[in-house]
Amino acid sequence: EADIYQTPRYLVIGTGKKITLECSQTMGHDKMYWYQQDPGMELHLIHYSYGVNSTEKGDLSSESTVSRIRTEHFPLTLESARPSHTSQYLCASRSQVGGYGYTFGSGTRLTVV
Amino acid sequence: AQSVTQPDIHITVSEGASLELRCNYSYGATPYLFWYVQSPGQGLQLLLKYFSGDTLVQGIKGFEAEFKRSQSSFNLRKPSVHWSDAAEYFCAVGAQGTSYDKVIFGPGTSLSVIP
Repeated sequence: EADIYQTPRYLVIGTGKKITLECSQTMGHDKMYWYQQDPGMELHLIHYSYGVNSTEKGDLSSESTVSRIRTEHFPLTLESARPSHTSQYLCASRSQVGGYGYTFGSGTRLTVV
Repeated sequence: AQSVTQPDIHITVSEGASLELRCNYSYGATPYLFWYVQSPGQGLQLLLKYFSGDTLVQGIKGFEAEFKRSQSSFNLRKPSVHWSDAAEYFCAVGAQGTSYDKVIFGPGTSLSVIP
C-alpha cells in the first residue's frame, strides 16, 4: 500500500496550458524528489527538497518548478506545457533514518498535445 | 561522479528458470546500492539494498543480490522466476558520505517471463 500519492495518474492537456502535478506523502519524510522517466528509459532527477522551504534543481534541466510549503506536499508546476514535456513524472520520498531507500508514488503520465 | 550500467536491455526467461540481472557501477568510494522493480504503469518498488556488511543481501519476493567490490557489480538473482516477476528492473547507486543526497538509476532491464 502506497504512502505517497500522486494525482492525477494520467493527464492529457493542450499546449500552453498551466498544470500542477500533485505529490503528497503521509510518512513525515523530510526529503522528497521528482524524477522524469520517458517510456523504456532511465529515471532522471529534476527536482529535490530537503524540507520545508528547501528546493533544488536536479541533474536534468527542466522547465518545471516545485514548491515545499508543507512537509507532506511537493507539487510540480509547468507554467506552459509543451509536447516536449510529455513523459512520466515520478515523485519519491525518504527519511533520514531507517535506511536510504526511496518510497515512490505511482507516477503521473503526462501527454501534451 | 557515480554511474550505473545495466548491460542487458531485455531478458526473456521461462517460468521456473533461474534469473540473473547484471548491474555495474562506477564510484570512487563505497556506494549505497539498490534494486527497484517497476510494473507497467506503476512507480518503483524497492527490492533490496546494500549499505555495508554482508555482501549477499536478501530482498522481497525471493530476490537476492551480491555486492562484488572487485568487479564493481551488484547482480540481482532469483532461483525460480514466476510469471508475476515480469517487469522493469532498475539498479541504482547512491553516494555515501556526501551532502548531496542523490541516487543515480541505471537504464533498466526489461524482464519477460514465458510460460
